[in-house]
Formats: sequence, structure tokens, C-alpha cells
Amino acid sequence: ETGVTQTPRHLVMGMTNKKSLKCEQHLGHNAMYWYKQSAKKPLELMFVYNFKEQTENNSVPSRFSPECPNSSHLFLHLHTLQPEDSALYLCASSQVTATDTQYFGPGTRLTVL
Amino acid sequence: QKEVEQDPGPLSVPEGAIVSLNCTYSNSAFQYFMWYRQYSRKGPELLMYTYSSGNKEDGRFTAQVDKSSKYISLFIRDSQPSDSATYLCAMSEGDSGGGADGLTFGKGTHLIIQP
Repeated sequence: ETGVTQTPRHLVMGMTNKKSLKCEQHLGHNAMYWYKQSAKKPLELMFVYNFKEQTENNSVPSRFSPECPNSSHLFLHLHTLQPEDSALYLCASSQVTATDTQYFGPGTRLTVL
Repeated sequence: QKEVEQDPGPLSVPEGAIVSLNCTYSNSAFQYFMWYRQYSRKGPELLMYTYSSGNKEDGRFTAQVDKSSKYISLFIRDSQPSDSATYLCAMSEGDSGGGADGLTFGKGTHLIIQP
């Protein structure tokens, strides 16, 4: 595997379910990010991890809970989501010293019923 | 006032044409400017990266930044059907005390190159 991988690629869940999204980067980077991409809206930054420490939470509701156990892996835990949370969730990584060149995974297409 | 404005299109041009894509922004602290290309059902792919004002060329692609006007452009010469995608501009201040910093994106312009 190369680059940034995300699993699952597609997820359908009910409002009462709990699920997790996984991201893994194989680039030797030390910063990781979660973004949300909704139709007709710009990509929205959700969380930033810098050397496994969360440095930014962009006013994201608590029903989204990130976890970064090491610099290569990033999770987004989901619980009691709303239909408006349906979107493409993108993970990215970069070097901390070069955060302007972020590399994205293919995304997880999430549908909340 | 939105931070980054980008016309969502769609923009449809014939093969071989020169394409001009643009973004405007309001935050004068932005120093780093990127263009990403996103094909359907894929994540964004970094295409061009520019620091501060000036031009940068890479093959058929040229990125321009005019910080005084808060305006950036991406030009595609000899456009090909394979260039059909959504083009996203992105920016950052780049000075976050040594820590990681998220990017601020435009909505993206959907480009269609007609064979």
C-alpha cells in the first residue's frame, strides 16, 4: 500500500449506530487531518493531529470523536449521527514542517439514514 | 464574507483550449497557495503549490498568485479530456508556531473538456 488509505470506502449507518472510519498513511508523515466534503460546500477542516496530539478541533459536534494512536493511523469514531452528517470524509497527512502540502486519501462516503 | 471564493461552474471548453480557473480570498495572512485536482469518487490530488506572489509553471499548468489583489489563478494549456475534473484552490497562513495547520478551500470548479 502506498500513500494514504481509508477504510471503509462506503458506509451506510442508522442514526443510532456506532461506527469508525480508519485512515493510514504510508508516507512517513507526522501530521494528520480529517476533512468533511459536502455537496456544494468547500472542504471543511474538522481535526488536526500534530505528532499524535490533537491541536485543532474546528467546532465539530461531539458525535464525532477522533483518535490518533500513532503518527501513521487516524480514526474517526461516529455515534448518534444526523442525516446532515452524510458526506465524503477525507483524511490527509503531511510533514508538520510542510503542512501546506497535504496528501489526501480517497475518502469514505458516509450516508446516515 | 466567505474566506475563499471560487466559481463552482461547470466550465465546459473544447479540447485544446486554454483554461483559466480563479479564486479570490479575503485573508491577507494567507501565504501558501495550492491547487488540487479531484476526479469523481477520488480524494483531492495536489497539482500545484506556490509560496507568496508570482508564477509557477509545471508542464501544461501555470499557477499565478497576486497577493495585492488577493487573487490566484490556474492556467491549463492544450487542455485534454483527461483534465476533466473538479479543481480546488486551497490556502494557508503557514505560520502556526511550528505545528500543523489545516487548509482553507474554495468550493471547487467543475471543469469539462469536450473531445
